[in-house]
Amino acid sequence: SYVLTQPPSVSVAPGQTARITCGGNNIGGKSVHWYQQKPGQAPVLVVYDDSDRPSGIPERFSGSNSGNTATLTISRVEAGDEADYYCQVWDSSSDHRYVFGTGTKVTVL
Amino acid sequence: EAQLLESGGGLVQPGGSLRLSCAASGFTFSSYAMNWVRQAPGKGLEWVSTISSSGGSTYYADSVKGRFTISRDNSKNTLSLQMNSLRAEDTALYYCAKDSGTYSAWFDPWGQGTLVTVSS
Repeated sequence: SYVLTQPPSVSVAPGQTARITCGGNNIGGKSVHWYQQKPGQAPVLVVYDDSDRPSGIPERFSGSNSGNTATLTISRVEAGDEADYYCQVWDSSSDHRYVFGTGTKVTVL
Repeated sequence: EAQLLESGGGLVQPGGSLRLSCAASGFTFSSYAMNWVRQAPGKGLEWVSTISSSGGSTYYADSVKGRFTISRDNSKNTLSLQMNSLRAEDTALYYCAKDSGTYSAWFDPWGQGTLVTVSS
């Protein structure tokens, strides 16, 4: 089965840039989506199709995808960005499998 | 605005059954595939099941195949998950989520979740 690997944690100072990676075999050939989950809340979509943002998501959130790594970048980090972040793909090579990454806890120092 | 509201969670003994429901509003329910995703306490997200817009196709994670059944009632805008032969490892917060309806398939929005606890 397809595996997506994320770093367990990323720490960043306010105003700086956080980069969260999502590694998978030839992930650049898939569309990657990213979710933000704050404590006690449901996940919220922040980036879809590698780099598109849903309405209402700040431009500070951006994404890229190439080779074996997809990246979610949060610019000008704010305290409110502290959350868990998950990447996700649809694995067309198996029987309709949605795959989530292992998740990354972003801490704002 | 699309909204989803889950219900039906609770405490059940190992080997027992439970039926979850998800009430949808704010979008044309019958036009979209729907999903269940779960999250064990302190753990990450795990896809559980998907049902096509018509209900004619269903898909399951290996961990629940043969024990869980997803269904929908498009006349009532309701999604369901029948869970049988429950195990301790099924303990989780269960979310329903609307499928994007595109080939690349993402989830948006999600409900607030309903907690299932399997314990004796």
